[in-house]
Amino acid sequence: GDSVTQMEGPVTLSEEAFLTINCTYTATGYPSLFWYVQYPGEGLQLLLKATKADDKGSNKGFEATYRKETTSFHLEKGSVQVSDSAVYFCALTNMDSNYQLIWGAGTKLIIKP
Amino acid sequence: EAGVAQSPRYKIIEKRQSVAFWCNPISGHATLYWYQQILGQGPKLLIQFQNNGVVDDSQLPKDRFSAERLKGVDSTLKIQPAKLEDSAVYLCASSLVTVGTDTQYFGPGTRLTVL
Repeated sequence: GDSVTQMEGPVTLSEEAFLTINCTYTATGYPSLFWYVQYPGEGLQLLLKATKADDKGSNKGFEATYRKETTSFHLEKGSVQVSDSAVYFCALTNMDSNYQLIWGAGTKLIIKP
Repeated sequence: EAGVAQSPRYKIIEKRQSVAFWCNPISGHATLYWYQQILGQGPKLLIQFQNNGVVDDSQLPKDRFSAERLKGVDSTLKIQPAKLEDSAVYLCASSLVTVGTDTQYFGPGTRLTVL
């Protein structure tokens, strides 16, 4: 079945560092890809999404490009802030899975001042 | 626009007791989801409603879990009796319709601790 694999955390960076969180997927057909973020004590929020190959999702300085050839959707940000500390989840939906969100395990990001 | 509301935010119970969680989705959202999120894992879908009908409950442990969505709006998830392994955060989400690119909006969750 469909699955999502994320890099294990925690990822610890200094403020203003460059961020990459890797995400790869296994799915038939043409899934839609999502990054959700969960700030401490809060619910999950959609950060960005991409619905077809080569699409780039972006929001709040974060970007991710849907790469079908490498089945990847890596999350990047050029200069992180302490306020970006959160848990980041990669997920997909697919017609073959009834459009249910298939989640990665999450990557905890810690930004130190 | 008001977000997805859930209550209570925290609940501590003894094993074999029962517990209920409440969710009020965003107004006008037809689809409602209940997820279980165990610490360190991604959310696991328990049940999905489209209006007041069940679309998918294949991962709901029906011997102890039940859920209903009255009049296609609010929803209640119940556990009876609770087990230690039910300790988790229970998330409610809603979306306007059910298509692949539709965004699911999540509530803050209810953190359940079973002692």
